[in-house]
Amino acid sequence: EAGVVQSPRYKIIEKKQPVAFWCNPISGHNTLYWYLQNLGQGPELLIRYENEEAVDDSQLPKDRFSAERLKGVDSTLKIQPAELGDSAVYLCASSLFRGSSEQFFGPGTRLTVL
Amino acid sequence: AQTVTQSQPEMSVQEAETVTLSCTYDTSESDYYLFWYKQPPSRQMILVIRQEAYKQQNATENRFSVNFQKAAKSFSLKISDSQLGDAAMYFCALSTNAGKSTFGDGTTLTVKP
Repeated sequence: EAGVVQSPRYKIIEKKQPVAFWCNPISGHNTLYWYLQNLGQGPELLIRYENEEAVDDSQLPKDRFSAERLKGVDSTLKIQPAELGDSAVYLCASSLFRGSSEQFFGPGTRLTVL
Repeated sequence: AQTVTQSQPEMSVQEAETVTLSCTYDTSESDYYLFWYKQPPSRQMILVIRQEAYKQQNATENRFSVNFQKAAKSFSLKISDSQLGDAAMYFCALSTNAGKSTFGDGTTLTVKP
């Protein structure tokens, strides 16, 4: 069974440029998470989807970040424009159910904003 | 607010010895789940062990076991017979039935040969 797929693995951009990250969760997993992970810290939730509905986006900086999960399968996270402080690893995870189920993580996208 | 605190940024253990990683949490929910995840260097995060809050019995998975103290809101991870492959960053996490997930800041475990 394929795991959670993320692309690209690495991205280097100039500040004020746009950037997009893509995630394909494990087949059949209804819940999809986007996390931000700074070096030496734990993942911080940006947005959680139940199927195609964003049910928790309270920590998403909506002035520059947007996300979508069309058809309740794969998802895209976008930053426009990127700032220096956005440099981090962006993790995608999926689970069969919310709450009780183990989360399966992708390898992450390491973003560097110059 | 839901919080997870890991008070040990770094721990080290001799190969074949036992080590315990600490985690405390706070939540207003009565029904929740606790997890320990492992993130090896440059590799994906994977589940180590899972505990349902309504179960009194501590979860075990081979060399990994937890000490779950619900009243104290404590959830420590014990690794027995430590191996070099156990070296990683370990994250304690809490999830509620509503789906809210919170992770601690992690403990970096070094295993000395």
